[in-house]
Amino acid sequence: GDSVTQMEGPVTLSEEAFLTINCTYTATGYPSLFWYVQYPGEGLQLLLKATKADDKGSNKGFEATYRKETTSFHLEKGSVQVSDSAVYFCALRGAGANSKLTFGKGITLSVRP
Amino acid sequence: NAGVTQTPKFRILKIGQSMTLQCTQDMNHNYMYWYRQDPGMGLKLIYYSVGAGITDKGEVPNGYNVSRSTTEDFPLRLELAAPSQTSVYFCASSGIRALDYEQYFGPGTRLTVT
Repeated sequence: GDSVTQMEGPVTLSEEAFLTINCTYTATGYPSLFWYVQYPGEGLQLLLKATKADDKGSNKGFEATYRKETTSFHLEKGSVQVSDSAVYFCALRGAGANSKLTFGKGITLSVRP
Repeated sequence: NAGVTQTPKFRILKIGQSMTLQCTQDMNHNYMYWYRQDPGMGLKLIYYSVGAGITDKGEVPNGYNVSRSTTEDFPLRLELAAPSQTSVYFCASSGIRALDYEQYFGPGTRLTVT
């Protein structure tokens, strides 16, 4: 079945540092890929998405590129802020019409001033 | 436009008690979902619905029941609560368009069973 693997956390960075959060997946066909973010005390919200190979999703300074050859969708940001402190989930949705989201375990990012 | 709302925000249950977690969305979405989030385990799908009157099991349905009598509401029922059901529960919804993959999440219900 479909699965998503995220790098182990937590991650602690200083403000303005470069961020990479690794995500790889296993799926049949051509899934859609997502990054969701969960700020403290809130539900998840979509950060960015990519629906086909080589697509780049971007939002709020975050980027991720759908790499079919390496089955990866790594999240990057050039300069993190304290307000980026949150839990980040990589997810995929299979190609079928009623496919559901499969989530990774999530990784906690803490950014210190 | 409130999006997805959930009640209650917090609840403590004793073993064997029952309760219903409420979920309402005002976006006219056909698809609705219930997830549980355990620490370090990501989200697991409990039940989902593709429209009023239609529900189906997800990955971890045991100990739960759902109903979908209207497009807006998707309550989750816990019968005979057990400590293993201590978790944070999220309701979500999504639209029917083929490219509308985004799920919109409620703020969650933190449930403790003791």
